[in-house]
Amino acid sequence: DGGITQSPKYLFRKEGQNVTLSCEQNLNHDAMYWYRQDPGQGLRLIYYSQIVNDFQKGDIAEGYSVSREKKESFPLTVTSAQKNPTAFYLCASKDRPLADTQYFGPGTRLTVL
Amino acid sequence: EDQVTQSPEALRLQEGESSSLNCSYTVSGLRGLFWYRQDPGKGPEFLFTLYSAGEEKEKERLKATLTKKESFLHITAPKPEDSATYLCAVQWLTGGGNKLTFGTGTQLKVEL
Repeated sequence: DGGITQSPKYLFRKEGQNVTLSCEQNLNHDAMYWYRQDPGQGLRLIYYSQIVNDFQKGDIAEGYSVSREKKESFPLTVTSAQKNPTAFYLCASKDRPLADTQYFGPGTRLTVL
Repeated sequence: EDQVTQSPEALRLQEGESSSLNCSYTVSGLRGLFWYRQDPGKGPEFLFTLYSAGEEKEKERLKATLTKKESFLHITAPKPEDSATYLCAVQWLTGGGNKLTFGTGTQLKVEL
């Protein structure tokens, strides 16, 4: 059953801690994306990767880092430098960088205590 | 400033009461307009992609249309299970390539 999985579903972090959100896809998609969703705002792009071992900053990359060592995996680390990390984080992928439609995972809700 | 605006922010319908959601955009160089459905606490589910003015797509009780300035998501005889937030996103050309901009969504509630 192909799809995108994100883990954990809920994550709690103390201030000053780094946390890593997992995103895995078995769709054989080349491109993967990380978005942040806050109430009353549209999805905002954090980072994206069009190919293994390559990634680019999105609109709100400060305080975040990523890696793309495998085609199927695109983990996101929320560092202590991110001032307001509490949000719903969504991972997406698409077949090819020039393809149109992005498909989303189920999301991870991060709460900073 | 290029942007995507969805209206209304929230809509409450009675079961069977048809209506439309609006997504207007001011971007130039449109490459595609996307509609997604999002249930609370879940990721967006892809519904439609529209590429050019005059294009229409249908799926069950939903029909999406596109003009040069806006898109409509028509919901015919809605049922309670259609309750969700509907997101619109626009893909457009920039100097650095394609960019995808999301609207803030319309929260739809269908009541019995």
